[in-house]
Amino acid sequence: AQTVTQSQPEMSVQEAETVTLSCTYDTSESNYYLFWYKQPPSRQMILVIRQEAYKQQNATENRFSVNFQKAAKSFSLKISDSQLGDTAMYFCAFSEGGSQGNLIFGKGTKLSVKP
Amino acid sequence: DAGVTQSPTHLIKTRGQQVTLRCSPKSGHDTVSWYQQALGQGPQFIFQYYEEEERQRGNFPDRFSGHQFPNYSSELNVNALLLGDSALYLCASSSDIDEQYFGPGTRLTVT
Repeated sequence: AQTVTQSQPEMSVQEAETVTLSCTYDTSESNYYLFWYKQPPSRQMILVIRQEAYKQQNATENRFSVNFQKAAKSFSLKISDSQLGDTAMYFCAFSEGGSQGNLIFGKGTKLSVKP
Repeated sequence: DAGVTQSPTHLIKTRGQQVTLRCSPKSGHDTVSWYQQALGQGPQFIFQYYEEEERQRGNFPDRFSGHQFPNYSSELNVNALLLGDSALYLCASSSDIDEQYFGPGTRLTVT
């Protein structure tokens, strides 16, 4: 069975600094999708970034980038120039059924950005 | 575009009762997925509906059932509620060219 592990329950970072959130996953599939979602206290789950496993190039979205290591089954999220609005729960998720397949989530990392 | 909407926002039920949660997908989306998020946990996949049929199902008992209507909106029904069903229920909509967008969720409390 596929599993997603986030080993950092909580992290904090100073405003304007860089932070990296870790995620590892387990699968026997070769083609799949990986995602990072953000869930602020408002509860709405927001897609931050996604990565297709067949793409070797790491995905980037503005201040957010990933380090995708397929052989190591590792998918970390780097947030540059952290902002107070980045404070939220961050969930790593996996899908083998395309971008609309059922998502398997990790337990999340609570990120606090301090002024 | 209103995005994904869910109703109600909060709900309190008693053990043994039945509950219905509703979801309207984002414009242009035809697929609806439901997730249960217990406190302090990541969401868990319940099931997915496409063309008014259940396409995929996670590891949830038959007490959890759903429906999709011709306008792509969806309902999640839970029968014989247990205390352990207390959670945030998230609906996500998608299409074959767009990934899953989540609604704000319904907070269900079972007493």
